[in-house]
Amino acid sequence: KNQVEQSPQSLIILEGKNCTLQCNYTVSPFSNLRWYKQDTGRGPVSLTIMTFSENTKSNGRYTATLDADTKQSSLHITASQLSDSASYICVVSDRGSTLGRLYFGRGTQLTVWP
Amino acid sequence: EADIYQTPRYLVIGTGKKITLECSQTMGHDKMYWYQQDPGMELHLIHYSYGVNSTEKGDLSSESTVSRIRTEHFPLTLESARPSHTSQYLCASSDPSRGANTGELFFGEGSRLTVL
Repeated sequence: KNQVEQSPQSLIILEGKNCTLQCNYTVSPFSNLRWYKQDTGRGPVSLTIMTFSENTKSNGRYTATLDADTKQSSLHITASQLSDSASYICVVSDRGSTLGRLYFGRGTQLTVWP
Repeated sequence: EADIYQTPRYLVIGTGKKITLECSQTMGHDKMYWYQQDPGMELHLIHYSYGVNSTEKGDLSSESTVSRIRTEHFPLTLESARPSHTSQYLCASSDPSRGANTGELFFGEGSRLTVL
């Protein structure tokens, strides 16, 4: 069964600190993996996309990694800010159909305290 | 910035009422989707559309229906709402020119439905 598991379920950190969110998946065949940020009461917004051949990709203070062999991805947030408080959702796409079926994780709820 | 809009943002109604959640996008995307999201749970696909006059049911069984008469408009209708329909409904679209397997989803801000 294709699944996407995220950890931790929730995380509280102090402003300025770094943190790392994890995503493990069993989706096969694999096409790509996206990290989305969802602010409370808003729709998710894409942060970054990782394809099979990519190991690391940065978007400002966000750095995503992908290990396609172990089927693991991480999202590292550097020098956290209050505005980073949100749910971070890992989404994996397969190559099984032209639609590119999407598998969603349940998200990690990050809270940044001042 | 994505241009996809949902109305209403919040709706509280009584059991048995008919409701329509509106979704419009101005990006010219052919593919549109409706997802259902409950707290702490993953998004579940309930409907999608490849383009005008195309609608398909998603992975999660839903008593709602959708229509796609215009490219930019993808409304969702519940003929008779029940408390079990209480949830957050997210509309999204994607750009087919990027390929189905790499296309980013652009989400609206969601419609939170509460059925009493």
